[in-house]
Amino acid sequence: ELKVEQNPLFLSMQEGKNYTIYCNYSTTSDRLYWYRQDPGKSLESLFVLLSNGAVKQEGRLMASLDTKARLSTLHITAAVHDLSATYFCAPERGGGADGLTFGKGTHLIIQP
Amino acid sequence: GAVVSQHPSRVICKSGTSVKIECRSLDFQATTMFWYRQFPKQSLMLMATSNEGSKATYEQGVEKDKFLINHASLTLSTLTVTSAHPEDSSFYICSASVLNYGYTFGSGTRLTVV
Repeated sequence: ELKVEQNPLFLSMQEGKNYTIYCNYSTTSDRLYWYRQDPGKSLESLFVLLSNGAVKQEGRLMASLDTKARLSTLHITAAVHDLSATYFCAPERGGGADGLTFGKGTHLIIQP
Repeated sequence: GAVVSQHPSRVICKSGTSVKIECRSLDFQATTMFWYRQFPKQSLMLMATSNEGSKATYEQGVEKDKFLINHASLTLSTLTVTSAHPEDSSFYICSASVLNYGYTFGSGTRLTVV
């Protein structure tokens, strides 16, 4: 059974600071996804990481994947208030499109 | 592209009644649809996987007789919460697997059972 451990679960930081969210998973997975969720809303896709060493960047967010360590990171650079949200990592279950197992989420608050 | 339309967005029902939630793929054919449930301030948990034309596969601990899933066409999957009780109050989200794209999510349904 695929287990996902995400940390920290709660993060309060100031604008302009950098921080990293970590996502460890227990078994081999072909793909890993990162999502953003605003209160009361559904999920917004941020990144899909397909292979070992994959790195993707969009604005102030950068995600990476180390399949050997079963670790993905989401790095926030020079945080701004608009990035306040809950972030989920979700490795894909099984060997194909079998749905996702979500981490518990990181509730991120960025204060001016 | 790859949009999933989910309705209703909010529903309040009385305890003991049934509620149907619909998810439609608007511009693609969704062979497989996933249904997730999210309790307040918690993560998303996969409830079941539905494949067009066949019975849904439920995750351990999910009552298949309570959460009826129908995936009768390539563009429509429905989740019916039967004999709903307050503990079924949750945020329900559908998701479709899209070839070479990943997963696309519906906008979610906030169910409140009173």
